[in-house]
Amino acid sequence: GAGVSQSPSNKVTEKGKDVELRCDPISGHTALYWYRQSLGQGLEFLIYFQGNSAPDKSGLPSDRFSAERTGGSVSTLTIQRTQQEDSAVYLCASSATSGLREQFFGPGTRLTVL
Amino acid sequence: KQEVTQIPAALSVPEGENLVLNCSFTDSAIYNLQWFRQDPGKGLTSLLLIQSSQREQTSGRLNASLDKSSGRSTLYIAASQPGDSATYLCAVQGGANNLFFGTGTRLTVIP
Repeated sequence: GAGVSQSPSNKVTEKGKDVELRCDPISGHTALYWYRQSLGQGLEFLIYFQGNSAPDKSGLPSDRFSAERTGGSVSTLTIQRTQQEDSAVYLCASSATSGLREQFFGPGTRLTVL
Repeated sequence: KQEVTQIPAALSVPEGENLVLNCSFTDSAIYNLQWFRQDPGKGLTSLLLIQSSQREQTSGRLNASLDKSSGRSTLYIAASQPGDSATYLCAVQGGANNLFFGTGTRLTVIP
């Protein structure tokens, strides 16, 4: 596609439910990143994919968070047993892994946990 | 751990004024530095990327400089317009692949 896309754009869920957030990166970008932007806080890194493997998961805040990537393309971020503090905008980015390595961001998914 | 600071946190200027946004980072071992724009409720739009070997990049009315040794970057916006109103984020990429972001400068350009 022309840019990074994410779905859904908004998700409202009840505390304790599981949610899945989807990211479609720019075609041909082998690197994919998930970030989180909480209200009043900066953007924080969650996880990095190179192809289908995740060499850096250091930003995942707890074991309730997991992510996978299939076919070197689409990625899904799963949050199990959601808590109110998980409410945030979840942003996905992709980049090439050589040259400029400029990261291009999707529009984000706004997650609200009631 | 890399820490990125942006000053000021907020800035209001009259239309037409030139302005400078500041970014500082603690670890000079960076691969590149990106400036982004974020409009309310939207994702991030990449404005400029400066590689570690470069000193500046220009795009239209925007000019970004990088002084890696002192851990500083500036974003210069010439002849500001109301449409420039947004939050501007600075981010650095180091040996790790992820970006470390500053907390942003919220710019308001008053018509």
